[in-house]
Amino acid sequence: DQQVKQNSPSLSVQEGRISILNCDYTNSMFDYFLWYKKYPAEGPTFLISISSIKDKNEDGRFTVFLNKSAKHLSLHIVPSQPGDSAVYFCAASAWGAQKLVFGQGTRLTINP
Amino acid sequence: EPEVTQTPSHQVTQMGQEVILRCVPISNHLYFYWYRQILGQKVEFLVSFYNNEISEKSEIFDDQFSVERPDGSNFTLKIRSTKLEDSAMYFCASSQDRGATNEKLFFGSGTQLSVL
Repeated sequence: DQQVKQNSPSLSVQEGRISILNCDYTNSMFDYFLWYKKYPAEGPTFLISISSIKDKNEDGRFTVFLNKSAKHLSLHIVPSQPGDSAVYFCAASAWGAQKLVFGQGTRLTINP
Repeated sequence: EPEVTQTPSHQVTQMGQEVILRCVPISNHLYFYWYRQILGQKVEFLVSFYNNEISEKSEIFDDQFSVERPDGSNFTLKIRSTKLEDSAMYFCASSQDRGATNEKLFFGSGTQLSVL
């Protein structure tokens, strides 16, 4: 099941710079997208979401961009901080469905 | 901040044994979920539960699995006869509104199940 793909298993960024995490999806029925952050020994925690009627959503240092024609979304973190080091999951859902479909995750490391 | 609580954090069992994983969702939430993550793989949806019945389930959630809300606070996942491939981190989640689109899910810290 490759409906949601995060092609980069890991990403290393200098503190203060921008982190860009990418996600692709194949299912045209998906209309809501979320990013979750996960620390070791903890469950995923919600970070930011975007509906398919928008192409951008911003919350503080976090911005999610959605390109529906390319079936691509990205999460921008600026400026990156050491506490941002975690695994980031992209997830998607279709209207009316109860389940989230997750990507494989990207491990982000912020270097001081 | 309210949180979803899962017990135990680690569970080791022998193949063929029954296990029950326990969760206490956030108190005013109405929708409950189980997800799992096999080591190195994606987080996968298992089942959603609302109004004392299953509302959606994945093909992973076969007859060996069952869920229950035995009282007003607990939500359990039972695996009747565990297999080696059931070894995974199991996450419970809850939400206030219907579906993931309306309200973000709150996840517990997970139960690491190891089947030997």
